[in-house]
Amino acid sequence: SQQGEEDPQALSIQEGENATMNCSYKTSINNLQWYRQNSGRGLVHLILIRSNEREKHSGRLRVTLDTSKKSSSLLITASRAADTASYFCATDDIYQGAQKLVFGQGTRLTINP
Amino acid sequence: EAQVTQNPRYLITVTGKKLTVTCSQNMNHEYMSWYRQDPGLGLRQIYYSMNVEVTDKGDVPEGYKVSRKEKRNFPLILESPSPNQTSLYFCASRTYSSGNTIYFGEGSWLTVV
Repeated sequence: SQQGEEDPQALSIQEGENATMNCSYKTSINNLQWYRQNSGRGLVHLILIRSNEREKHSGRLRVTLDTSKKSSSLLITASRAADTASYFCATDDIYQGAQKLVFGQGTRLTINP
Repeated sequence: EAQVTQNPRYLITVTGKKLTVTCSQNMNHEYMSWYRQDPGLGLRQIYYSMNVEVTDKGDVPEGYKVSRKEKRNFPLILESPSPNQTSLYFCASRTYSSGNTIYFGEGSWLTVV
C-alpha cells in the first residue's frame, strides 16, 4: 500500500479561508515533503520537513510533523483561487532513502472565488 | 533554467508498437526516476537510476525498460505497449547534495489503443 496517504481526498473551500490537509505514513522516515500539482502538470516541490523537526513555515504554508503518530499536516492560510491544485505528501523510508520516495494519492483542493 | 524535459508530451499509439519516451535534465543530477500516475493510485515508481549505468526497478517495472548511458538522459522504453500502460508518465531527477527535493518534468500523456 502507499506509504503516504492524504486526507481528505478532496477539499473545497472559499477564497480567504484556510485549507488543511493531512498525510499519514507507515514506516520510519528521514523526511517528509509536500508537492503541488496543477491539473495534468508536473509536481512542484513546496516544502520539506526533516524527521527531527516539528513545524516549518514557508510563506502561507505551514507544515507540521508528528513522528510518534506518523502524520503530517499542510496548512495553507488565506487561500487564493490560484491555490487550486492537488497536493501530495512524499516520504522516504529511513532504510531505503530517496530511491524509494513514495507519494500518496493526493488531496484535490478547490478554492472557490 | 533548471529543467527536466520529457518528449513526447502527448502520444496515442497502438498495442505492440514499440515506443520511447525521452527524458533529459540540465542540472547534472545523479539520480533520475520514472513514475506513472493513475487515478486513485497516485504516483508509482517504475524505474530509477542512481547514476550512469546504474538502474533499478521501482514498484511497477513490468512492461518497461530504461537505460542510463549518459548522466543527463534517462529514456523510458515500452517494447510492446498494452492498453494498461495508458497513463500519465513523469520523469524526475535530483542531486544528492540538494537533499531529497525532486524536480519533475511536465509529464507525458500516453494512450495505448
